[in-house]
Amino acid sequence: KQEVTQIPAALSVPEGENLVLNCSFTDSAIYNLQWFRQDPGKGLTSLLLIQSSQREQTSGRLNASLDKSSGRSTLYIAASQPGDSATYLCAVRPVQGAQKLVFGQGTRLTINP
Amino acid sequence: GAGVSQSPSNKVTEKGKDVELRCDPISGHTALYWYRQSLGQGLEFLIYFQGNSAPDKSGLPSDRFSAERTGGSVSTLTIQRTQQEDSAVYLCASSLAQGVNSPLHFGNGTRLTVT
Repeated sequence: KQEVTQIPAALSVPEGENLVLNCSFTDSAIYNLQWFRQDPGKGLTSLLLIQSSQREQTSGRLNASLDKSSGRSTLYIAASQPGDSATYLCAVRPVQGAQKLVFGQGTRLTINP
Repeated sequence: GAGVSQSPSNKVTEKGKDVELRCDPISGHTALYWYRQSLGQGLEFLIYFQGNSAPDKSGLPSDRFSAERTGGSVSTLTIQRTQQEDSAVYLCASSLAQGVNSPLHFGNGTRLTVT
């Protein structure tokens, strides 16, 4: 059974710092991994999707990497801003049962001005 | 353009009542998903619709839960005889195609509270 873990559960850093969020998964048989952010009381906003054949994806100050063989992904946020404060979730789309994305519990990020 | 729209945004109901939650996906998106997010829990898959194919209902937690998708667009999730453990945020998502690399786009969810 695929399991997705995100560490740490919460992270607080001062504005301007670069930071890394971690995501690990137990079964490397995936089609892709997707990073989302969730603001309080809101749905999920898709940030980046990395296909299993890719190593990384970039969007603005965000860079996501994928090491499928070791079951790890990182989300790098450069020059953090208070507006980056949110919960960040990663989700894998498994090869078996591809319609059922498996989510981690999320990392709650706070950027302090 | 418009994103995924869910209604109501909040619903408070008494234990034992039935509720209906609505999801209007992004126009042209053929795949539609329902997930549940409980306090302190991750997102739990409930049901998946793709075009005219039979839905994958394998995530529905009990026979009190059902969902339909009319005309390949709007979907309704129905919970009968609600229980307190049904309290959660119900999230709907859609994606452009059945291709596995199509990203999911989520609505803002319906927060259900069963008293």
